[in-house]
Amino acid sequence: EAQVTQNPRYLITVTGKKLTVTCSQNMNHEYMSWYRQDPGLGLRQIYYSMNVEVTDKGDVPEGYKVSRKEKRNFPLILESPSPNQTSLYFCASSSGQGSYEQYFGPGTRLTVT
Amino acid sequence: TQLLEQSPQFLSIQEGENLTVYCNSSSVFSSLQWYRQEPGEGPVLLVTVVTGGEVKKLKRLTFQFGDARKDSSLHITAAQTGDTGLYLCADNDYKLSFGAGTTVTVRA
Repeated sequence: EAQVTQNPRYLITVTGKKLTVTCSQNMNHEYMSWYRQDPGLGLRQIYYSMNVEVTDKGDVPEGYKVSRKEKRNFPLILESPSPNQTSLYFCASSSGQGSYEQYFGPGTRLTVT
Repeated sequence: TQLLEQSPQFLSIQEGENLTVYCNSSSVFSSLQWYRQEPGEGPVLLVTVVTGGEVKKLKRLTFQFGDARKDSSLHITAAQTGDTGLYLCADNDYKLSFGAGTTVTVRA
C-alpha cells in the first residue's frame, strides 16, 4: 500500500530536549516536505526537499532541521524544542512540484511543556 | 508572499442541504488544489485545476476556477455526514501554500 508514515504519532516533551520525528514514504517520490498546522493558520511549510541531499527552507523554518540522506526518509529534527513549537506536524511526498498530488502522513501531535 | 483566504471559516448545515466554500488569492494561482482533511488524518487531494474558467465535477462536488485564476469555489450538492471535514485550498507552485481552511459540519 502506497503510504507516508510518521513516528511517533503523539509526543509530549519538555523544553530543550532534542527530538526527531521520522517520516518515510514507499512511493519512490523525489519531493518531500514538512508542515505544521495550527488553528486559524492552516498548514505552513517548514522545509522541503526536491531530492536526496537537496533541502530548502519553507515559510517557518526557524527552530527546525531536516536531512535527506535517503530518498524514502525525511526526518524533522528539533534541536531545542520550545512551547511555541507545540503543533500538529505533517510530512508529505509527491512525484514533483507543480500540480502533482501531495500525499500526507497521518500527522504527529507534539506538545512541548 | 501569496495570501490565500478561505470563507467561511466555519459552516454547519443539515444533511441534504447544499453548501459552497470559497478560496481567494492575492495573486494568480499557478495551479489550485482542493484537499479535504478529516479529524486525526492528513489532507487528501480532491481535485487539481489549472485552466481559468475550468469546472470539474467529482460526484456531488463541483469545483470552479475563476477566469482570472485568482479565485475558486467548491460546491457540494445534497451534503452527507461523510462530507464533514476541513476543506483546504492550496496553490501548488514551487511549494505548496495553503489557506486556513473551512471547517464543514454536516448534521444528521
